[in-house]
Amino acid sequence: KAGVTQTPRYLIKTRGQQVTLSCSPISGHRSVSWYQQTPGQGLQFLFEYFSETQRNKGNFPGRFSGRQFSNSRSEMNVSTLELGDSALYLCASSLEQFRTDTQYFGPGTRLTVL
Amino acid sequence: AQTVTQSQPEMSVQEAETVTLSCTYDTSESDYYLFWYKQPPSRQMILVIRQEAYKQQNATENRFSVNFQKAAKSFSLKISDSQLGDAAMYFCAYRNVNDMRFGAGTRLTVKP
Repeated sequence: KAGVTQTPRYLIKTRGQQVTLSCSPISGHRSVSWYQQTPGQGLQFLFEYFSETQRNKGNFPGRFSGRQFSNSRSEMNVSTLELGDSALYLCASSLEQFRTDTQYFGPGTRLTVL
Repeated sequence: AQTVTQSQPEMSVQEAETVTLSCTYDTSESDYYLFWYKQPPSRQMILVIRQEAYKQQNATENRFSVNFQKAAKSFSLKISDSQLGDAAMYFCAYRNVNDMRFGAGTRLTVKP
């Protein structure tokens, strides 16, 4: 099976812009989670989607949003970008909902905000 | 809030030797899962091993094993017969029904 894919792999934006990142889970996986990884804050949970519904959300401002489509693909959107949003954004998928199942990570999208 | 602490920012091991990475966590929950993930320089996170909190038996996966001490809230990873390919950042992670937390990571260097 193909692994989790994320597009684009690299992105450069300027402050104030918005950005959309995409994640395609492993075939058959219904849960998609998003994480932000920075040198200062480490790995932080953003949110989880399961069956097109947001099931859990981390402690991030409302500028961070996401959605999941009927084919389980997910997108994450960040509006009004700030310099501090520069990070590696990781997507992870699992067969079932968040709590019990093992997550498989994608390679990430490196976002740089100038 | 749950926290995960990895007290060793960096560790080094000689090839073929054994190394133990430490992890402690704080939670008031009784139902949770613990994980060790490996992130090689290519940046893709890979699951190394998982442990269900309700299981007393320590998980093992080939050369990787854990020492899970629930009362002490400790979850260490032992890597036996270390190989050059084990060099990576290792993250300890805690997950319950609502949240997932990662430790700051331990960078493992394997010396030939």
